[in-house]
Amino acid sequence: TQLLEQSPQFLSIQEGENLTVYCNSSSVFSSLQWYRQEPGEGPVLLVTVVTGGEVKKLKRLTFQFGDARKDSSLHITAAQPGDTGLYLCAGAGYNTDKLIFGTGTRLQVFP
Amino acid sequence: DAGVTQSPTHLIKTRGQQVTLRCSPKSGHDTVSWYQQALGQGPQFIFQYYEEEERQRGNFPDRFSGHQFPNYSSELNVNALLLGDSALYLCASSLYTGGHTEAFFGQGTRLTVV
Repeated sequence: TQLLEQSPQFLSIQEGENLTVYCNSSSVFSSLQWYRQEPGEGPVLLVTVVTGGEVKKLKRLTFQFGDARKDSSLHITAAQPGDTGLYLCAGAGYNTDKLIFGTGTRLQVFP
Repeated sequence: DAGVTQSPTHLIKTRGQQVTLRCSPKSGHDTVSWYQQALGQGPQFIFQYYEEEERQRGNFPDRFSGHQFPNYSSELNVNALLLGDSALYLCASSLYTGGHTEAFFGQGTRLTVV
């Protein structure tokens, strides 16, 4: 069974701080996606990483896919209250586009 | 360009009843997947429809069934509802391109079983 573990589960920080969220698995994925979800809403796609070792930047967010395609990280620089939400990583296997979701990281950024 | 739309947004049902949830995919997308998200957890894959057929299925009982129509829209049906079926039900549409798939989610249907 493919599992994705995210850490930390909860993160509460002040505006302006930096943070990193980790997504780890013992399984290899063909691609990995990061989503942000607000309460009562569906997940919104932030980025897809496809190549092992790939780094993608989206303004203050930096996403990295591990060389072995088993893990990923999301780094936020100078967090803002608008970054508050549930961050989910999701992996897609080979020959399937079924997504395996991580356990989620709930981020709260205080002004 | 309309994204993924789901209806209804909220629903309250009684144990033992049946429910149907609906989803219209993003324009140009031919594949629809359904996920169940319990409170405080990540979404769990229920099943996926492509070309009006169930292509993959997660670890959910036969009480969960679905359908895809020729216009790619989809329905999720749940029979004999249990209290534990209370969750946010998410529909995602996707298109396989460039060697990988990206899934886009609707806002979800919040189902409460009492």
